[in-house]
Amino acid sequence: EVHLVESGGGLVQPGGSLRLSCSISGLSVSSNYMAWIRQAPGQGLEWLSVLYPEGSTYYGDSVTGRFTVSRDDSDNTLFLQMNSLRPEDTAIYYCVKVIPLGAFDIWGQGTTVTV
Amino acid sequence: DIQMTQSPSTLSASVGDRVTITCRASQSVLGWLAWYQQKPGKAPKLLMYKTSHLESGVSSRFSGSGYGTEFTLTIYNLQPDDSATYYCQHYNGYPWTFGQGTKVEIK
Repeated sequence: EVHLVESGGGLVQPGGSLRLSCSISGLSVSSNYMAWIRQAPGQGLEWLSVLYPEGSTYYGDSVTGRFTVSRDDSDNTLFLQMNSLRPEDTAIYYCVKVIPLGAFDIWGQGTTVTV
Repeated sequence: DIQMTQSPSTLSASVGDRVTITCRASQSVLGWLAWYQQKPGKAPKLLMYKTSHLESGVSSRFSGSGYGTEFTLTIYNLQPDDSATYYCQHYNGYPWTFGQGTKVEIK
């Protein structure tokens, strides 16, 4: 069974940085398309980034240049480095597996970021 | 960016009803559309991908159709457990975007 477990959320000041982690079991992070999606309080869903198995990355307009997705193949972990955080980045952040290319078929439980 | 617009924003229906949610794209997304169900406090769940392909384990009471710019999600024989917010999402080029959601309430 596949499990995605996010961590690293918390309270941060505007302009600060945070690194989210997604610990993955039951599938290989290096062999799958993986993404980050967020949901602001009481709001809808916003796709943020995708990481391809071969390493290509794509980002949503609101986070381009501020957020970076990466992975550690040995630890089977996905990361989201978030810099220059703004109050509007306050949200639940979900780690998701992507069906190529690209509905989201497996979701973590989310981690909350408050700016 | 492609904008996705869902209607209605909220609907209320009775157990056993058939309900339809519409999702319109600001430009063609071909058939690259997915639907999700989200219950309060939970992560979204994939219902349908590529417009009409039912995700494994999802009830056959859910059906998707459409192409290009107009899509529908139909729920047949509405059940109390279907009370949730439903989102459409396109994946025809970046950025992938979601509709604003449709909240389904059971009368």
